[in-house]
Amino acid sequence: QSALTQPASVSGSPGQSITLSCTGTSSDVGSYNVVSWYQQHPGKGPKLIIYEVSKRPSGVSNRFSGSKSGNTASLTISGLQAEDEADYYCCSYAGSITMVFGGGTKLTVL
Amino acid sequence: QGQLVESGGGVVQPGRSLRLSCAASGFTLSSYGMHWVRQAPGKGLEWVAVIWFDGSDKNYADSVKARFTISRDNSNNTLYLQMNSLRAEDTAVYYCARDPRQFSGWPSWYFDFWGQGTLVTVSS
Repeated sequence: QSALTQPASVSGSPGQSITLSCTGTSSDVGSYNVVSWYQQHPGKGPKLIIYEVSKRPSGVSNRFSGSKSGNTASLTISGLQAEDEADYYCCSYAGSITMVFGGGTKLTVL
Repeated sequence: QGQLVESGGGVVQPGRSLRLSCAASGFTLSSYGMHWVRQAPGKGLEWVAVIWFDGSDKNYADSVKARFTISRDNSNNTLYLQMNSLRAEDTAVYYCARDPRQFSGWPSWYFDFWGQGTLVTVSS
């Protein structure tokens, strides 16, 4: 159950598009299409923004999109806004009735 | 939409036990698989445990296996996490989180609804 790998920090300017990566292995991200992404603002609980690799829950902005290639999943945020500044976590089913999170990426909007 | 409210956190000495509760309102807990997820201070999220909607199956992260027990009382719409032999590294905010698949033995493996968390501090 090793954590998925995410960059510790990413930054971008308002209006830009940024992509956050989440690298796992053939035992987790590469084997299952159940990668999800969560946004967490300081002092708050996580919020689901992408599930099953690329699906967006009702109420989540269409500026958020997800994809996967091999063992790496990606979250793209387009038209970056100040309110997007938060921590972002990826998560995957890892087989044997277990799950694994990434270490998280801190997004800074310049 | 409903609400999940965790309780039972606090300061406990190493080696002691604590039981966390997660009360659901606004939806029927018994319809859903449920998870516990924790977050150490200043750290990332860590999946802890899962239980099927009817309690028929459950599993744990290696870091807590044989020390923690997840259970549920569907008649009271409540989820539990019994934590034994606590260690300093168990210090974290513990969240209960809902798996969105209803009435199915196999979870969806993501979390569509979270509680606000309860802080557990293991310290002498």
